[in-house]
Amino acid sequence: SQQGEEDPQALSIQEGENATMNCSYKTSINNLQWYRQNSGRGLVHLILIRSNEREKHSGRLRVTLDTSKKSSSLLITASRAADTASYFCATGKTGANNLFFGTGTRLTVIP
Amino acid sequence: DAGVIQSPRHEVTEMGQEVTLRCKPISGHDYLFWYRQTMMRGLELLIYFNNNVPIDDSGMPEDRFSAKMPNASFSTLKIQPSEPRDSAVYFCASSFKRTTGELFFGEGSRLTVL
Repeated sequence: SQQGEEDPQALSIQEGENATMNCSYKTSINNLQWYRQNSGRGLVHLILIRSNEREKHSGRLRVTLDTSKKSSSLLITASRAADTASYFCATGKTGANNLFFGTGTRLTVIP
Repeated sequence: DAGVIQSPRHEVTEMGQEVTLRCKPISGHDYLFWYRQTMMRGLELLIYFNNNVPIDDSGMPEDRFSAKMPNASFSTLKIQPSEPRDSAVYFCASSFKRTTGELFFGEGSRLTVL
């Protein structure tokens, strides 16, 4: 499969805790992106990290990328109930003209 | 900006009927994508356009599916005849200048074929 694989498939945490989601992929990439999808809604872009970057921050989000291991992680710090959603990684593969989406992690933040 | 606009949000139809889904991309975006999302297969790219021209339709499942983009502000995805296995959420997304950059998604059209 050309899709990325997120791990875990589902994650449940208490409000205020940190949430970490992982994404693994199989081929060379130009960039890796994370998207959020609330139930019944469209996907919303969160952050993009390029293949020559190792870490990127945006507000409470921290993304790391390890191209040698073909993996990325998304850390959400001080989680809130509003962070409850599914999170997808998407890879822009070298030589390809579209993004490939992973299977998603379903995050539940308990108030 | 109004974002990507899709219609209808929900469609329930009977097997064999024609279904037309509509999309208005963000003004100025030159790429438009149609995706399908199901529990079993996740998010699949069906087709994408660049400047109204179809570039890659290899994800279109079969001849029952067709997509058009008659102008920069409108695209349709048509299924004729529809089958129960076509039940899914269909998303339209647009982007500016790049196919592997940030995508802006619509809210989706949930299709149920009975």
